[in-house]
Amino acid sequence: EDQVTQSPEALRLQEGESSSLNCSYTVSGLRGLFWYRQDPGKGPEFLFTLYSAGEEKEKERLKATLTKKESFLHITAPKPEDSATYLCAVQAIGAGNKLTFGGGTRVLVKP
Amino acid sequence: GAVVSQHPSWVICKSGTSVKIECRSLDFQATTMFWYRQFPKQSLMLMATSNEGSKATYEQGVEKDKFLINHASLTLSTLTVTSAHPEDSSFYICSAPRGNTYEQYFGPGTRLTVT
Repeated sequence: EDQVTQSPEALRLQEGESSSLNCSYTVSGLRGLFWYRQDPGKGPEFLFTLYSAGEEKEKERLKATLTKKESFLHITAPKPEDSATYLCAVQAIGAGNKLTFGGGTRVLVKP
Repeated sequence: GAVVSQHPSWVICKSGTSVKIECRSLDFQATTMFWYRQFPKQSLMLMATSNEGSKATYEQGVEKDKFLINHASLTLSTLTVTSAHPEDSSFYICSAPRGNTYEQYFGPGTRLTVT
């Protein structure tokens, strides 16, 4: 059974204080690993897809990396508007387009 | 801009009534759509896979007779919560994969409150 574990559950940062979120996964065969941002009361917003170990993608202050067992979402010099819940999900080969989500990391960036 | 829409964004209904939620892909066709529910401060739980022109596939533990799914066209899937009870109150979110990249785009969600 595919499993995704995110840590920490919650993260409080000062504005400008860089940090990393972890997503550990076990999957029979990885088709893709996805990162989403979710604001309260809204649907998840797509951030990145990573397909193979060693791959990295960047978007503004966010950078996602992937190994064979985990992915990291690095937040560099965060701003208060980066406050959100960050969700990690995996898609397994042979599972159609189904996503298995982790529990999420709630990030609060204080000015 | 948004690529998946949901309607309504919120709904309040009385116990025992049925509620229909619509999910539309706005500028692409989706033969498959997914329905999730999310409780406060929890992650998304997949309820079912909606397949255009065929029956939906439900996850273990999800009552198919209670959560009716219809995927009548390549841009529209509907979820009907039948005989709703207060425990069905939740945030319901749909998603659709777009193109050949396996990326899924989510709707804005529907907040259902059953009184």
